[in-house]
Amino acid sequence: QSVLTQPPSASGTPGQRVTITCSGSDSNIGSNYVYWYQQFPGTAPRLLIYRNNQRPSGVPDRFSGSKSGTSASLAISGLRSEDEANYYCAAWDDSLRGPYVFGSGTEVTVL
Amino acid sequence: QVQLQESGPGLVKPSQTLSLTCAVSGGSISSGDYSWSWIRQPAGKGLEWIGRIYTSGRANHNPSLKSRVTISVDTSKNQFSLKLSSVTAADTAIYFCARDTSGWEDYHYYYFMDVWGKGTTVTVSS
Repeated sequence: QSVLTQPPSASGTPGQRVTITCSGSDSNIGSNYVYWYQQFPGTAPRLLIYRNNQRPSGVPDRFSGSKSGTSASLAISGLRSEDEANYYCAAWDDSLRGPYVFGSGTEVTVL
Repeated sequence: QVQLQESGPGLVKPSQTLSLTCAVSGGSISSGDYSWSWIRQPAGKGLEWIGRIYTSGRANHNPSLKSRVTISVDTSKNQFSLKLSSVTAADTAIYFCARDTSGWEDYHYYYFMDVWGKGTTVTVSS
């Protein structure tokens, strides 16, 4: 059972905006940065967003992250077929559950 | 560009110890203020952070696994390793190694994996 909660799935048509939520608590999202990782089937995860809303070089600006209180969101604007993947949020956790926890993952489908 | 490659037995018997190594290429494991971590993923499920180690030997582990986990580093071989003892079928997973970037900004600690290995599948079965 994951410490951070995400919806199991999300979908949209090409060009649409899709938002994935990540719900945590005071000990993780509420007091630490949030990260997002993208994972295609059969491959390793790739860092997509760090420190809540920063994109590593090479990540398209269609991907954006935000955080408010104990929740965070990943938005994909201008959805493309190549965005079909699993997305995981993560955060440092100051409680005994930590120190680093992942979300349950959201599978994004492009219709 | 730094690359990571996991290696080790793909099959481990229950109650035995799982041993994996992550070879670092394209750079020295000792350069920069990085830590090196292990993450696992059961088939069709989410990611679980196992632990990390600095080249100084300082390490952190997932509390749920701590008593069974040993992470070590060998700077002379440019690699780090994972040992997980007393394994059961629940330890069957893809195991990834990764390079971590961490530090402090605006009084907040940041920590993320920016380079990943391809992963290696470990099955626990008799």
